[in-house]
Amino acid sequence: TQLLEQSPQFLSIQEGENLTVYCNSSSVFSSLQWYRQEPGEGPVLLVTVVTGGEVKKLKRLTFQFGDARKDSSLHITAAQPGDTGLYLCAGGPFNAGNMLTFGGGTRLMVKP
Amino acid sequence: NAGVTQTPKFQVLKTGQSMTLQCAQDMNHNSMYWYRQDPGMGLRLIYYSASEGTTDKGEVPNGYNVSRLNKREFSLRLESAAPSQTSVYFCASGWTGSARGAFFGQGTRLTVV
Repeated sequence: TQLLEQSPQFLSIQEGENLTVYCNSSSVFSSLQWYRQEPGEGPVLLVTVVTGGEVKKLKRLTFQFGDARKDSSLHITAAQPGDTGLYLCAGGPFNAGNMLTFGGGTRLMVKP
Repeated sequence: NAGVTQTPKFQVLKTGQSMTLQCAQDMNHNSMYWYRQDPGMGLRLIYYSASEGTTDKGEVPNGYNVSRLNKREFSLRLESAAPSQTSVYFCASGWTGSARGAFFGQGTRLTVV
């Protein structure tokens, strides 16, 4: 059982549609991060959220950290084919030292 | 800017063989990590190191050993490879506390036959 559960696992949408990806846990995290991974490459950090309730925006991407620091969401507005990839959430649980654990990922395909 | 460098990029092993995956970072990070990623899956933490001289088990440590040789280098050793260890292995590094995120190498694609 993974500490971080992501949903949905797969998402296929048309260009221009909006979507939300969720990252949930029963544990409290000191911070949560979102990464994007393309085939054959390592994950690349998109954003870190640290404060409960925090909202961060990165162009068409909006990230939110839950008030209780147990969950996060990633919302993409007007998705483009270039957004296609594997989106991963990750975090360090409280009292777990420098551990950095990942969710199972959401594979997004945006069709033109 | 080298970042995180992993060697080798590809490797094929026979069952029972041993090998060491090398990782080096040039960003002066305290923390380093080893993950494995199976097809279509997320990353699972094998071992991590908060600082030089310390290592801790992650979620799937069985069958692996690690060495934090110095601040820059963190190696992963498979003593007796098994087909279940066929995977892509990623090394990462980051600042202590992990709040600033981790930076990843390009990965090592390992096949055990």
